[in-house]
Amino acid sequence: DTAVSQTPKYLVTQMGNDKSIKCEQNLGHDTMYWYKQDSKKFLKIMFSYNNKELIINETVPNRFSPKSPDKAHLNLHINSLELGDSAVYFCASSQGLQGRHTEAFFGQGTRLTVV
Amino acid sequence: GQQLNQSPQSMFIQEGEDVSMNCTSSSIFNTWLWYKQDPGEGPVLLIALYKAGELTSNGRLTAQFGITRKDSFLNISASIPSDVGIYFCGGGAQKLVFGQGTRLTINP
Repeated sequence: DTAVSQTPKYLVTQMGNDKSIKCEQNLGHDTMYWYKQDSKKFLKIMFSYNNKELIINETVPNRFSPKSPDKAHLNLHINSLELGDSAVYFCASSQGLQGRHTEAFFGQGTRLTVV
Repeated sequence: GQQLNQSPQSMFIQEGEDVSMNCTSSSIFNTWLWYKQDPGEGPVLLIALYKAGELTSNGRLTAQFGITRKDSFLNISASIPSDVGIYFCGGGAQKLVFGQGTRLTINP
């Protein structure tokens, strides 16, 4: 009964392919995020959704398309994968966007390798 | 965009030593959060701070929310081997952004 679970944990794919990463949270949170962690371990926010609505898009290429079918799920679809997309992608959730509600809980990450 | 400057980037210490790391920002934050990441895992929340000047402890960990709301520090006392990992500060104001991380290595 993992709080924030994402699948798959590892993903190896060729350049140009399209792939999806799924994320589910069972914490009853309203807000979900996608972060990208590069090889230097820098955690960069990509998207934030609140109650299924896109709140933040941090100038991510439009090859990345998040989809939130309901509050508990936030999936990430990536088109035409490039070598530079190789990274660990983390899903996270929080109760909301203010004060104590911003405490975020993270999934275990998806290590994407583009070859 | 909002940026957090976290220092030091890495620390090499002896077991039993105290550790101190900090984060500064050009922006004001409403929340400061400290996380630890172990290899192959996602970041785990250690301490959360909500008010300027707040000082909070969690076992051997102590963190403070700076008076200006633009900085925070984390101290670890009497380090042990399981403290090894990467520590991240996070600042919250409509979104949660992170510092570059402090990689802690402990020599037994």
